[in-house]
Amino acid sequence: GAGVSQTPSNKVTEKGKYVELRCDPISGHTALYWYRQSLGQGPEFLIYFQGTGAADDSGLPNDRFFAVRPEGSVSTLKIQRTERGDSAVYLCASSSSTTETQYFGPGTRLLVL
Amino acid sequence: AQRVTQPEKLLSVFKGAPVELKCNYSYSGSPELFWYVQYSRQRLQLLLRHISRESIKGFTADLNKGETSFHLKKPFAQEEDSAMYYCALESNYQLIWGAGTKLIIKP
Repeated sequence: GAGVSQTPSNKVTEKGKYVELRCDPISGHTALYWYRQSLGQGPEFLIYFQGTGAADDSGLPNDRFFAVRPEGSVSTLKIQRTERGDSAVYLCASSSSTTETQYFGPGTRLLVL
Repeated sequence: AQRVTQPEKLLSVFKGAPVELKCNYSYSGSPELFWYVQYSRQRLQLLLRHISRESIKGFTADLNKGETSFHLKKPFAQEEDSAMYYCALESNYQLIWGAGTKLIIKP
């Protein structure tokens, strides 16, 4: 079946602009996670959803970052007033429950100029 | 603080030689540990998790609570094992990751 998909695969933007990154989880998966991976590092947790609600957003670096999952399926990560330090690969994962394996999407590579 | 350490950024071994990728963790409680692999131009995928105690693609990993380690091992490396390997620890439903080890298998 279809895996986790993320769009766009690459995004180049200018400092100060707003961006939205989309994640389509595996159908039926109730848990959805966002991670950020900077060059040479492992992924870093940002936020996870159980259904429509954000169960843990403790990893969001500041209030410029926000994520939604209004219908409990697709999720959008929103970054306001982007900064060069936001440049990274943003990974999305989903699982059938919080105790099950997380399946990852291909990531969105964000470059802030 | 919870932390995962992979001390080697790069590990290069010859085909047919044994492989050991090191992972150490810091966690108060009973850890749930994973190894993920990322082949070139592919997405992260689960290789194994300690509770399943499976051997996947010839790899095994044993949790050593005394040494707080979860090293990944394979007795005979194959060229297709070349990839990035990440060790991860689950804490409150989120994964805490090591920085990864790039494994290169030389022919």
